[in-house]
Amino acid sequence: DAMVIQNPRYQVTQFGKPVTLSCSQTLNHNVMYWYQQKSSQAPKLLFHYYDKDFNNEADTPDNFQSRRPNTSFCFLDIRSPGLGDAAMYLCATSRDRISGVNNEQFFGPGTRLTVL
Amino acid sequence: AQSVTQLGSHVSVSEGALVLLRCNYSSSVPPYLFWYVQYPNQGLQLLLKYTSAATLVKGINGFEAEFKKSETSFHLTKPSAHMSDAAEYFCAVSAPTNAGKSTFGDGTTLTVKP
Repeated sequence: DAMVIQNPRYQVTQFGKPVTLSCSQTLNHNVMYWYQQKSSQAPKLLFHYYDKDFNNEADTPDNFQSRRPNTSFCFLDIRSPGLGDAAMYLCATSRDRISGVNNEQFFGPGTRLTVL
Repeated sequence: AQSVTQLGSHVSVSEGALVLLRCNYSSSVPPYLFWYVQYPNQGLQLLLKYTSAATLVKGINGFEAEFKKSETSFHLTKPSAHMSDAAEYFCAVSAPTNAGKSTFGDGTTLTVKP
């Protein structure tokens, strides 16, 4: 089945220690998104890639970076995690971003990040 | 600009009762609207979507939603709640003029009592 995969499902890191979260997709979608979701809150968009074009949200801290080496994979790098970065991180894909019909988002299961 | 307001952060119903989760939107252009469900420690799963076709949209698991332009609403309903419906529900709006990005509501936690 075509899907969005996130690894690991649970990640524990230490304060200030860089961490990388991984997302892969078999849907061959053009757009990949990274969201941060804190407990009982809506997902907050950090950035997205449209093909190789990186689009950062204005309020995303510099501490968060992303890489998309190819269509299938996208990585979220947190350079110096703080306690406030503990959250669920969701990866999503959509076929396109221009037509609303095609920007239904398909979500991965998420990675829950704990910062000690 | 676009936004979503979900009325009621927590809704509790008895098993077999009607489920009604409210969503109001704001969009400067004709919107596309979505309802997603999230179970604990999982990602979001699409329940249904409105993309300017039929105003009454049927989704998975017996859910449906009606787009009412005059009321700027897209409420989610299910005639008879099941225990397995207990989850977090998110309404989202997107528009072609916003690079297709979705804006999510704050979510409604649905509790189903036996």
